[in-house]
Amino acid sequence: DAMVIQNPRYQVTQFGKPVTLSCSQTLNHNVMYWYQQKSSQAPKLLFHYYDKDFNNEADTPDNFQSRRPNTSFCFLDIRSPGLGDAAMYLCATRRGDTQYFGPGTRLTVL
Amino acid sequence: SQQGEEDPQALSIQEGENATMNCSYKTSINNLQWYRQNSGRGLVHLILIRSNEREKHSGRLRVTLDTSKKSSSLLITASRAADTASYFCATDSTGGFKTIFGAGTRLFVKA
Repeated sequence: DAMVIQNPRYQVTQFGKPVTLSCSQTLNHNVMYWYQQKSSQAPKLLFHYYDKDFNNEADTPDNFQSRRPNTSFCFLDIRSPGLGDAAMYLCATRRGDTQYFGPGTRLTVL
Repeated sequence: SQQGEEDPQALSIQEGENATMNCSYKTSINNLQWYRQNSGRGLVHLILIRSNEREKHSGRLRVTLDTSKKSSSLLITASRAADTASYFCATDSTGGFKTIFGAGTRLFVKA
């Protein structure tokens, strides 16, 4: 059974056109994360939530925003995607010390 | 800056051989974890070792932790073609939920 679901799996957008990636979880975990992962690199933390308490990494560009309307859902909004934002975006939840990742959304920017 | 550094960056071995990957980190940690990522997929948690532990086993996996050297190693014994993936170490800094991943080792196991 899928526990962390990301939609869509593949997203194509145009330069400067806003895009929203979504994540949902069936685990009822308090902590959720968004990571950006570029080819052959480590996942880079963008934000994390503890319940609705939002934590933004200092080097996360202002172009990236996030919303968590309830425990189950979390969204990543990219206001004006640039070519450098093309990447895999990973959502994860956490229980205890273990993170549970979704399959990722691969974003292409044309 | 990135917390964990891993070596080697890439490793190619024959099926049945052992694979060893190393990870170094910079700050104090509560625990260190290893994750696996198949190409184009999300990460899967493999094993966690706490800062007061020195060695841990899970099936064909063996993890060591040396807090004095700020380093860890992951050993996969009797590797299989299905072990082909990227392996990442990850550390939690003390007092928070922030996890930092190393650059990863890309393992290729030839059948």
